[in-house]
Amino acid sequence: GIQVEQSPPDLILQEGANSTLRCNFSDSVNNLQWFHQNPWGQLINLFYIPSGTKQNGRLSATTVATERYSLLYISSSQTTDSGVYFCAVEQSSYGKLTFGQGTILTVHP
Amino acid sequence: GAVVSQHPSWVICKSGTSVKIECRSLDFQATTMFWYRQFPKQSLMLMATSNEGSKATYEQGVEKDKFLINHASLTLSTLTVTSAHPEDSSFYICSAARHDPSYEQYFGPGTRLTVT
Repeated sequence: GIQVEQSPPDLILQEGANSTLRCNFSDSVNNLQWFHQNPWGQLINLFYIPSGTKQNGRLSATTVATERYSLLYISSSQTTDSGVYFCAVEQSSYGKLTFGQGTILTVHP
Repeated sequence: GAVVSQHPSWVICKSGTSVKIECRSLDFQATTMFWYRQFPKQSLMLMATSNEGSKATYEQGVEKDKFLINHASLTLSTLTVTSAHPEDSSFYICSAARHDPSYEQYFGPGTRLTVT
């Protein structure tokens, strides 16, 4: 099956810093989603981004499908950004997602 | 829009009993719902895909007689853990796929199951 690798596995930042999270995948995909899992376990949709670039406030994402990677940018990080960031890819037309192992982000005040 | 609820949020049960978890899409119809399991400090693992009105499709290694899935309507799917054992303790998360205009998935808040 498809392999999804995220880097770095852990990231510690001071409030206000910028960061880039990476997601590599081993095969072509139909869709890609980025999620933030908060400390209570809720997954929050950040981006649905099979290709191209999107921005939402301090967050933006870019997927280069031909090169099989996606990047999530977080600017001016805040303590509330802490949590686990997952990327997940879909190969079939049925919506089945394969998740990466996640990046644990800790933002200190 | 695109809100998915789960009930209960947490449950403690005794070994040998069964537990039912509900997953509802509150503001959209979901032909397809998914059930995941997450162990501490690990990623999500897909257990099964649930399609309204048909049998669920289970991932390899998931016991379908133990994890019963029913998708009776376009807004409700249930997962029943039968004859639960301590090793079934985990965080169970459902998601619903909104097919219009894409297959973007939205996740419920999860259910923490502890089997004593």
